[in-house]
Amino acid sequence: QKEVEQDPGPLSVPEGAIVSLNCTYSNSAFQYFMWYRQYSRKGPELLMYTYSSGNKEDGRFTAQVDKSSKYISLFIRDSQPSDSATYLCAMVETGGGNKLTFGTGTQLKVEL
Amino acid sequence: KAGVTQTPRYLIKTRGQQVTLSCSPISGHRSVSWYQQTPGQGLQFLFEYFSETQRNKGNFPGRFSGRQFSNSRSEMNVSTLELGDSALYLCASSLTEGAGTDTQYFGPGTRLTVL
Repeated sequence: QKEVEQDPGPLSVPEGAIVSLNCTYSNSAFQYFMWYRQYSRKGPELLMYTYSSGNKEDGRFTAQVDKSSKYISLFIRDSQPSDSATYLCAMVETGGGNKLTFGTGTQLKVEL
Repeated sequence: KAGVTQTPRYLIKTRGQQVTLSCSPISGHRSVSWYQQTPGQGLQFLFEYFSETQRNKGNFPGRFSGRQFSNSRSEMNVSTLELGDSALYLCASSLTEGAGTDTQYFGPGTRLTVL
């Protein structure tokens, strides 16, 4: 069983929809949580970073962490065609340096 | 500010050969990490270097190795290539050796195909 599980999709939504992306994890040592976005033929880029349970908002994006349930989510409001990409959750253990453990990624398509 | 650069962008090799990939981090960044991305396994951590020292290593065979130079540039080497080594190899740089709080910036990757 992988340490981080993520629904691979693909997920197709109409423009303007609210998108919910989720990851679960099994390693209690994970303390830092990130969401990356990866466009085709590009490297991942950091969207959101959080380390505490609760919500963190940045524009149309909200990251949610529930450490008790080992569950993290990314919500995208008013989704746009430019949001079409693969979304990867990533986590770092306490004392893990820069070692990121990734979910497999969810492919999102926002259609006009 | 220039981003992370990786060379070459595309590479085709045959089984049994070896390959060296290069990564130049963002100016001032001292940490470089390498990841392998495949459709089946996703992104997997290979190793991390900080100030020319390997700080962390993933679960890959010894055929995968790396090093970092005094200017923070890094190379990774794969010897005796296997078909399963075909992947996108990504390099990420960050300012420090990290405590989970340091942002990592990824390069565009090197697409390696092993025939």
